[in-house]
Amino acid sequence: GESVGLHLPTLSVQEGDNSIINCAYSNSASDYFIWYKQESGKGPQFIIDIRSNMDKRQGQRVTVLLNKTVKHLSLQIAATQPGDSAVYFCASMGGGGSNYKLTFGKGTLLTVNP
Amino acid sequence: NAGVTQTPKFRILKIGQSMTLQCTQDMNHNYMYWYRQDPGMGLKLIYYSVGAGITDKGEVPNGYNVSRSTTEDFPLRLELAAPSQTSVYFCASSFGTSGAGETQYFGPGTRLLVL
Repeated sequence: GESVGLHLPTLSVQEGDNSIINCAYSNSASDYFIWYKQESGKGPQFIIDIRSNMDKRQGQRVTVLLNKTVKHLSLQIAATQPGDSAVYFCASMGGGGSNYKLTFGKGTLLTVNP
Repeated sequence: NAGVTQTPKFRILKIGQSMTLQCTQDMNHNYMYWYRQDPGMGLKLIYYSVGAGITDKGEVPNGYNVSRSTTEDFPLRLELAAPSQTSVYFCASSFGTSGAGETQYFGPGTRLLVL
């Protein structure tokens, strides 16, 4: 079945450094990917998305890279701040008649040290 | 816009009790979803709805029921609570169309403890 997994469950960085969070997906038919940020006690918050016809997309301090050849995507956060500390989830959608259902990975806990 | 709202925020149930988790969105989204999130895990889809009067099962529907009588509301019903249903429940909504409409927006969650 389809699964979306993460390479590292935790990531600790110094304030001001760049952070890279990785994610692997298994369904080659997935055509839409989203990164969510979840702070403690809150619901997931949309960060950035990318479609399968793109390999890079940039937002404010965040960049998502998609490598369809190896079914891998990453989230890069520039100049990481303490407010970036949260769990980050990647999610995939599409392929195999999944309509608009998202498949979530387990999440990576990002800790930013001041 | 308030976005997606959920009530209650927290609830303790005894085994065998029933309850309804409420979810409302004011974004005129067609699609609504219910997920559960177990500790240290990602979200798993319970049920979803593509519009009023239409619902469908997700990945983990057993023990739950839903209804969608209006565009705004999508309640989740637990009929016979079991300890395995201890989790955090998130409701989400989206326009459901391709492109930016696929983005799902989440509520703050309901924390449920079944003892």
